[in-house]
Amino acid sequence: DQQVKQNSPSLSVQEGRISILNCDYTNSMFDYFLWYKKYPAEGPTFLISISSIKDKNEDGRFTVFLNKSAKHLSLHIVPSQPGDSAVYFCAASADAGGTSYGKLTFGQGTILTVHP
Amino acid sequence: EPEVTQTPSHQVTQMGQEVILRCVPISNHLYFYWYRQILGQKVEFLVSFYNNEISEKSEIFDDQFSVERPDGSNFTLKIRSTKLEDSAMYFCASRTRKALGKNIQYFGAGTRLSVL
Repeated sequence: DQQVKQNSPSLSVQEGRISILNCDYTNSMFDYFLWYKKYPAEGPTFLISISSIKDKNEDGRFTVFLNKSAKHLSLHIVPSQPGDSAVYFCAASADAGGTSYGKLTFGQGTILTVHP
Repeated sequence: EPEVTQTPSHQVTQMGQEVILRCVPISNHLYFYWYRQILGQKVEFLVSFYNNEISEKSEIFDDQFSVERPDGSNFTLKIRSTKLEDSAMYFCASRTRKALGKNIQYFGAGTRLSVL
């Protein structure tokens, strides 16, 4: 199942710089997209989301961009901090005309390391 | 802040034994989910549960799996006869009724199931 793909297994960034994490999807029925952060031995923690009717959503240092024509979304973290070091998962769901109960399809994750 | 709690954090069992993984979703949530992550692989959807019945399940969720909400707070996943390949992290998640098209699911810390 490759409906959601994160092609970069890892990303290393200097503190204070921008981190850009990318995600591609193939299912055109997806209409809601989320980013989760995960530390070892913890569950995924919701970070930010975006609906397909928007192309950008911002929350503090985190911004998610959605390009529907390219079936691509990205998460920008500015400025990056050492505490941001974690695994970041992209996830997507399809409403399917209101009959879907919200199953999330996840990408493989990207390990972000922010160096002081 | 309300959170999803899962017990136990680690469960070790012998192949062929039954296990029950427990979850307490966030109290005002109505939709409940189980996901799993085999080591080194993606987080995969298992089952969703709404209005006291299964609303959707994946092909992984075969006759060996069952879910139950025995009271107003607990949500359980039972594996009747565990196999070696059931070894994974199992995550419970929950969410409110959709609002403005949002599908934000909140995850527990997970139960690590080790089948020997």
